[in-house]
Amino acid sequence: QKEVEQNSGPLSVPEGAIASLNCTYSDRGSQSFFWYRQYSGKSPELIMSIYSNGDKEDGRFTAQLNKASQYVSLLIRDSQPSDSATYLCAVTRYGGSQGNLIFGKGTKLSVKP
Amino acid sequence: DAGVIQSPRHEVTEMGQEVTLRCKPISGHDYLFWYRQTMMRGLELLIYFNNNVPIDDSGMPEDRFSAKMPNASFSTLKIQPSEPRDSAVYFCASSPREGLGSQPQHFGDGTRLSIL
Repeated sequence: QKEVEQNSGPLSVPEGAIASLNCTYSDRGSQSFFWYRQYSGKSPELIMSIYSNGDKEDGRFTAQLNKASQYVSLLIRDSQPSDSATYLCAVTRYGGSQGNLIFGKGTKLSVKP
Repeated sequence: DAGVIQSPRHEVTEMGQEVTLRCKPISGHDYLFWYRQTMMRGLELLIYFNNNVPIDDSGMPEDRFSAKMPNASFSTLKIQPSEPRDSAVYFCASSPREGLGSQPQHFGDGTRLSIL
């Protein structure tokens, strides 16, 4: 079983819609969760971190964590063409050490004008 | 504030040659990571350092790969001899010491390596 799974997409949404990106992880003891955005040909850029169950909002972005279901999601409200990118979910393994951050392969999001 | 700085940005070389990738982490960050990214395998951790000491190199694919961190502001990843299957984008990232949870990692722009 893969440790961090994401639908590779592409996920296509119209401009102004809500984009919903999902991620599941296998290690029940995982403690820290991150969403990175990666534009084509660029490096990953952190957009959200979440450590406890529930929702965390930052501007148009909302991260949701459900540890019981081993599920983390990212909602992007009022999607813009500039949000078109690959979104990487990253999860720490049990123990939470910095080096135990595992990345999913990413979901490609396309926002159509 | 300067981010993570990697060099070179692009490297094209022939099979069998030695390749050296360089990284300067963000000042004050305690952790430094080397990743490799390919379409097939995604982003893979190769090795990471804490306070200049290698902690986990289990991701290094084979003995042809080596990494050093002689001081807090510089690290190298070396491939010798290089092979076409080493072609990938190599990222360096750094992060501050851990707090209540793991700290996010900040990535450099990467080195796009092509081995012919």
